[in-house]
Amino acid sequence: EAGVTQFPSHSVIEKGQTVTLRCDPISGHDNLYWYRRVMGKEIKFLLHFVKESKQDESGMPNNRFLAERTGGTYSTLKVQPAELEDSGVYFCASSHKETLHFGNGTRLTVT
Amino acid sequence: QKEVEQNSGPLSVPEGAIASLNCTYSDRGSQSFFWYRQYSGKSPELIMSIYSNGDKEDGRFTAQLNKASQYVSLLIRDSQPSDSATYLCAGTPSGGSYIPTFGRGTSLIVHP
Repeated sequence: EAGVTQFPSHSVIEKGQTVTLRCDPISGHDNLYWYRRVMGKEIKFLLHFVKESKQDESGMPNNRFLAERTGGTYSTLKVQPAELEDSGVYFCASSHKETLHFGNGTRLTVT
Repeated sequence: QKEVEQNSGPLSVPEGAIASLNCTYSDRGSQSFFWYRQYSGKSPELIMSIYSNGDKEDGRFTAQLNKASQYVSLLIRDSQPSDSATYLCAGTPSGGSYIPTFGRGTSLIVHP
């Protein structure tokens, strides 16, 4: 089966610009998660979708971050406007039950 | 805040030795624990899960859980250079959520 895929793999943008990250989960996985890893820190939870519904978005840092999962398939995470501290690796994961399957991540650099 | 703590390392062991990776957690109610392996530039990959006190073995890997001490460990026997990676410990919080909380990860280097 195809794994979790994320686009783009890298993104370099200037402060104040907008970036949209995309995640395609494993087919049939209702659960989709976004995590972020800032350099030197742990992987931090951002939010959790069950199908198209946001189940838990307690980890979203602020209202500059907007996640969507229209139709319960792929998900997007938009950062607008981007700030320097948003730099890091954004991971998407999907699951059927408890085991999370991760994508390779999108490395975001805000300059 | 409920946390999972790991020594970032690097932990360096010779090929063929036992690598011991350790993790502590603050949420006494956590029930499920996971070890993920992450190669540089790649996605974290689940290698072991453990739910009960004691040891769980899978090939060269043994996970150990001690809920009284809030301690989880991963032993890798007969370490190989291909085991060199970052190992992430994760635990699910009390309250029924399946969303794991991750530690920073321990970098393991197995040298020939």
